[in-house]
Amino acid sequence: SQTIHQWPATLVQPVGSPLSLECTVEGTSNPNLYWYRQAAGRGLQLLFYSVGIGQISSEVPQNLSASRPQDRQFILSSKKLLLSDSGFYLCAWSKNGASGNTGELFFGEGSRLTVL
Amino acid sequence: GEDVEQSLFLSVREGDSSVINCTYTDSSSTYLYWYKQEPGAGLQLLTYIFSNMDMKQDQRLTVLLNKKDKHLSLRIADTQTGDSAIYFCAESYKRDDKIIFGKGTRLHILP
Repeated sequence: SQTIHQWPATLVQPVGSPLSLECTVEGTSNPNLYWYRQAAGRGLQLLFYSVGIGQISSEVPQNLSASRPQDRQFILSSKKLLLSDSGFYLCAWSKNGASGNTGELFFGEGSRLTVL
Repeated sequence: GEDVEQSLFLSVREGDSSVINCTYTDSSSTYLYWYKQEPGAGLQLLTYIFSNMDMKQDQRLTVLLNKKDKHLSLRIADTQTGDSAIYFCAESYKRDDKIIFGKGTRLHILP
Protein backbone atom coordinates (compact mmCIF):
# COMPACT_ATOMS: atom_id res chain seq x y z
CA SER A 1 0.00 0.00 0.00
CA GLN A 2 1.04 3.57 -0.58
CA THR A 3 2.08 5.87 2.24
CA ILE A 4 3.16 9.47 2.47
CA HIS A 5 5.35 10.94 5.17
CA GLN A 6 6.29 14.53 5.81
CA TRP A 7 8.46 16.03 8.51
CA PRO A 8 8.97 17.73 10.77
CA ALA A 9 5.43 17.83 12.15
CA THR A 10 5.99 21.06 14.04
CA LEU A 11 8.66 23.70 13.96
CA VAL A 12 9.22 27.18 15.28
CA GLN A 13 11.72 29.29 13.38
CA PRO A 14 12.95 32.88 13.71
CA VAL A 15 12.45 35.39 10.90
CA GLY A 16 15.30 35.22 8.43
CA SER A 17 16.22 31.61 9.14
CA PRO A 18 16.18 28.88 6.47
CA LEU A 19 13.50 26.23 6.05
CA SER A 20 13.45 22.69 4.80
CA LEU A 21 10.34 20.50 4.85
CA GLU A 22 10.62 17.04 3.43
CA CYS A 23 8.03 14.69 2.00
CA THR A 24 8.42 11.14 0.75
CA VAL A 25 5.98 8.73 -0.82
CA GLU A 26 6.27 4.95 -0.64
CA GLY A 27 4.56 2.18 -2.55
CA THR A 28 4.11 3.91 -5.89
CA SER A 29 6.26 5.24 -8.71
CA ASN A 30 6.26 8.48 -10.68
CA PRO A 31 3.57 10.17 -8.59
CA ASN A 32 2.44 13.75 -9.05
CA LEU A 33 3.60 15.66 -5.97
CA TYR A 34 2.17 18.81 -4.42
CA TRP A 35 2.87 21.33 -1.68
CA TYR A 36 -0.11 23.22 -0.26
CA ARG A 37 -0.22 25.82 2.50
CA GLN A 38 -3.18 26.31 4.77
CA ALA A 39 -3.14 29.70 6.46
CA ALA A 40 -5.86 30.95 8.79
CA GLY A 41 -8.74 32.42 6.83
CA ARG A 42 -7.15 31.69 3.46
CA GLY A 43 -8.04 28.08 2.88
CA LEU A 44 -5.80 25.69 1.00
CA GLN A 45 -3.36 27.35 -1.36
CA LEU A 46 -1.40 25.39 -3.97
CA LEU A 47 2.28 26.37 -3.80
CA PHE A 48 4.08 23.90 -6.07
CA TYR A 49 3.35 20.77 -8.02
CA SER A 50 5.55 18.34 -9.88
CA VAL A 51 4.74 15.74 -12.51
CA GLY A 52 8.28 14.30 -12.60
CA ILE A 53 11.85 14.57 -11.34
CA GLY A 54 13.18 18.08 -11.86
CA GLN A 55 9.81 19.36 -13.09
CA ILE A 56 8.41 21.94 -10.70
CA SER A 57 5.54 24.33 -11.34
CA SER A 58 5.15 27.31 -9.05
CA GLU A 59 1.71 28.71 -8.46
CA VAL A 60 2.36 31.69 -6.21
CA PRO A 61 5.31 34.10 -6.28
CA GLN A 62 7.01 34.02 -2.90
CA ASN A 63 10.28 33.35 -1.14
CA LEU A 64 9.70 29.60 -1.08
CA SER A 65 11.12 27.04 -3.49
CA ALA A 66 10.60 23.34 -4.13
CA SER A 67 12.81 20.58 -5.41
CA ARG A 68 12.30 16.97 -6.43
CA PRO A 69 15.72 15.30 -6.23
CA GLN A 70 14.26 11.79 -6.44
CA ASP A 71 11.09 10.32 -7.89
CA ARG A 72 9.27 10.08 -4.58
CA GLN A 73 10.87 12.92 -2.65
CA PHE A 74 9.60 16.49 -2.57
CA ILE A 75 11.30 19.23 -0.58
CA LEU A 76 10.00 22.69 0.31
CA SER A 77 12.67 25.25 1.15
CA SER A 78 13.29 28.86 1.98
CA LYS A 79 16.56 30.74 2.40
CA LYS A 80 15.02 33.39 4.67
CA LEU A 81 11.67 32.96 6.35
CA LEU A 82 9.15 35.78 6.68
CA LEU A 83 6.47 36.14 9.33
CA SER A 84 3.88 35.59 6.60
CA ASP A 85 5.30 32.12 5.93
CA SER A 86 3.65 30.80 9.10
CA GLY A 87 1.02 28.20 8.37
CA PHE A 88 0.18 24.54 8.01
CA TYR A 89 2.03 22.95 5.09
CA LEU A 90 0.61 19.88 3.46
CA CYS A 91 2.35 17.55 1.05
CA ALA A 92 0.19 15.42 -1.23
CA TRP A 93 0.53 12.95 -4.08
CA SER A 94 -1.70 11.66 -6.83
CA LYS A 95 -1.39 8.91 -9.40
CA ASN A 96 0.13 9.94 -12.70
CA GLY A 97 -1.62 8.99 -15.90
CA ALA A 98 -3.07 5.68 -14.78
CA SER A 99 -6.18 4.48 -16.55
CA GLY A 100 -9.26 5.33 -14.55
CA ASN A 101 -7.29 7.76 -12.45
CA THR A 102 -9.66 10.20 -10.76
CA GLY A 103 -6.92 12.58 -9.69
CA GLU A 104 -7.55 11.91 -6.01
CA LEU A 105 -4.99 13.54 -3.76
CA PHE A 106 -3.50 11.66 -0.81
CA PHE A 107 -2.29 14.03 1.88
CA GLY A 108 0.39 13.81 4.52
CA GLU A 109 -0.36 14.76 8.10
CA GLY A 110 1.01 18.27 7.70
CA SER A 111 3.82 20.40 9.11
CA ARG A 112 2.91 23.36 11.28
CA LEU A 113 5.38 26.21 10.88
CA THR A 114 5.45 29.19 13.21
CA VAL A 115 7.77 32.03 12.29
CA LEU A 116 8.57 34.40 15.16
CA GLY B 1 -8.13 31.42 -14.05
CA GLU B 2 -9.56 28.73 -11.89
CA ASP B 3 -11.42 29.69 -8.73
CA VAL B 4 -13.50 27.78 -6.25
CA GLU B 5 -15.82 29.55 -3.80
CA GLN B 6 -17.61 28.23 -0.75
CA SER B 7 -19.06 29.69 2.41
CA LEU B 8 -16.75 29.59 5.43
CA PHE B 9 -19.11 28.40 8.17
CA LEU B 10 -22.18 26.24 8.61
CA SER B 11 -23.98 25.29 11.83
CA VAL B 12 -26.37 22.36 11.87
CA ARG B 13 -28.25 20.56 14.64
CA GLU B 14 -27.34 16.95 15.26
CA GLY B 15 -29.66 14.69 13.29
CA ASP B 16 -30.50 17.32 10.68
CA SER B 17 -29.13 17.37 7.14
CA SER B 18 -26.12 19.54 6.27
CA VAL B 19 -25.82 21.09 2.85
CA ILE B 20 -22.50 22.61 1.86
CA ASN B 21 -22.40 24.57 -1.37
CA CYS B 22 -19.61 25.40 -3.78
CA THR B 23 -19.25 27.30 -7.04
CA TYR B 24 -16.41 27.02 -9.51
CA THR B 25 -15.34 28.98 -12.55
CA ASP B 26 -13.54 26.54 -14.83
CA SER B 27 -16.18 25.18 -17.20
CA SER B 28 -13.72 22.55 -18.43
CA SER B 29 -13.44 20.92 -15.01
CA THR B 30 -13.34 17.17 -15.33
CA TYR B 31 -13.55 16.04 -11.75
CA LEU B 32 -15.06 17.76 -8.72
CA TYR B 33 -14.21 16.64 -5.22
CA TRP B 34 -15.22 16.94 -1.61
CA TYR B 35 -12.45 16.52 0.96
CA LYS B 36 -12.78 16.43 4.73
CA GLN B 37 -10.20 17.77 7.18
CA GLU B 38 -10.39 16.92 10.86
CA PRO B 39 -8.54 19.14 13.37
CA GLY B 40 -4.76 19.09 13.06
CA ALA B 41 -4.76 16.54 10.26
CA GLY B 42 -4.38 16.35 6.51
CA LEU B 43 -7.28 16.11 4.10
CA GLN B 44 -9.05 12.95 3.07
CA LEU B 45 -11.19 12.45 0.02
CA LEU B 46 -14.86 11.99 0.87
CA THR B 47 -16.27 11.64 -2.60
CA TYR B 48 -15.87 12.88 -6.14
CA ILE B 49 -18.09 13.33 -9.15
CA PHE B 50 -17.24 13.27 -12.83
CA SER B 51 -18.42 16.29 -14.78
CA ASN B 52 -20.87 14.29 -16.91
CA MET B 53 -22.81 13.18 -13.84
CA ASP B 54 -25.63 15.08 -12.10
CA MET B 55 -25.74 13.22 -8.82
CA LYS B 56 -23.79 10.72 -6.81
CA GLN B 57 -24.94 9.06 -3.60
CA ASP B 58 -22.78 7.19 -1.12
CA GLN B 59 -24.47 6.20 2.16
CA ARG B 60 -25.20 9.46 4.01
CA LEU B 61 -23.51 11.59 1.37
CA THR B 62 -25.22 13.02 -1.72
CA VAL B 63 -23.37 15.14 -4.25
CA LEU B 64 -25.32 17.26 -6.71
CA LEU B 65 -23.71 18.91 -9.73
CA ASN B 66 -25.31 21.65 -11.79
CA LYS B 67 -22.83 22.05 -14.60
CA LYS B 68 -24.76 24.87 -16.26
CA ASP B 69 -24.53 27.00 -13.12
CA LYS B 70 -21.13 25.55 -12.10
CA HIS B 71 -22.57 24.69 -8.72
CA LEU B 72 -21.67 21.69 -6.58
CA SER B 73 -23.26 20.69 -3.29
CA LEU B 74 -22.62 18.10 -0.61
CA ARG B 75 -25.51 16.90 1.51
CA ILE B 76 -24.82 14.96 4.69
CA ALA B 77 -27.92 13.21 6.00
CA ASP B 78 -28.46 12.65 9.73
CA THR B 79 -25.48 14.82 10.70
CA GLN B 80 -23.46 13.42 13.60
CA THR B 81 -20.91 15.00 15.95
CA GLY B 82 -18.19 13.09 14.11
CA ASP B 83 -19.05 15.07 10.97
CA SER B 84 -17.65 18.21 12.59
CA ALA B 85 -14.74 19.19 10.33
CA ILE B 86 -13.72 21.49 7.50
CA TYR B 87 -15.07 20.46 4.10
CA PHE B 88 -13.19 21.47 0.98
CA CYS B 89 -14.59 21.63 -2.51
CA ALA B 90 -11.99 21.11 -5.25
CA GLU B 91 -11.79 20.85 -9.01
CA SER B 92 -9.42 19.62 -11.66
CA TYR B 93 -9.84 19.81 -15.41
CA LYS B 94 -7.63 17.00 -16.43
CA ARG B 95 -6.52 13.99 -14.47
CA ASP B 96 -2.84 14.79 -14.19
CA ASP B 97 -3.16 18.48 -13.54
CA LYS B 98 -3.22 20.55 -10.41
CA ILE B 99 -6.23 20.44 -8.18
CA ILE B 100 -7.65 23.75 -6.98
CA PHE B 101 -9.35 23.95 -3.59
CA GLY B 102 -11.89 26.30 -2.10
CA LYS B 103 -11.23 27.92 1.27
CA GLY B 104 -13.19 25.27 3.12
CA THR B 105 -16.48 25.28 5.03
CA ARG B 106 -16.25 24.67 8.75
CA LEU B 107 -19.20 22.52 9.80
CA HIS B 108 -20.25 23.00 13.41
CA ILE B 109 -22.70 20.57 14.98
CA LEU B 110 -25.16 21.92 17.52
CA PRO B 111 -26.46 19.56 20.23
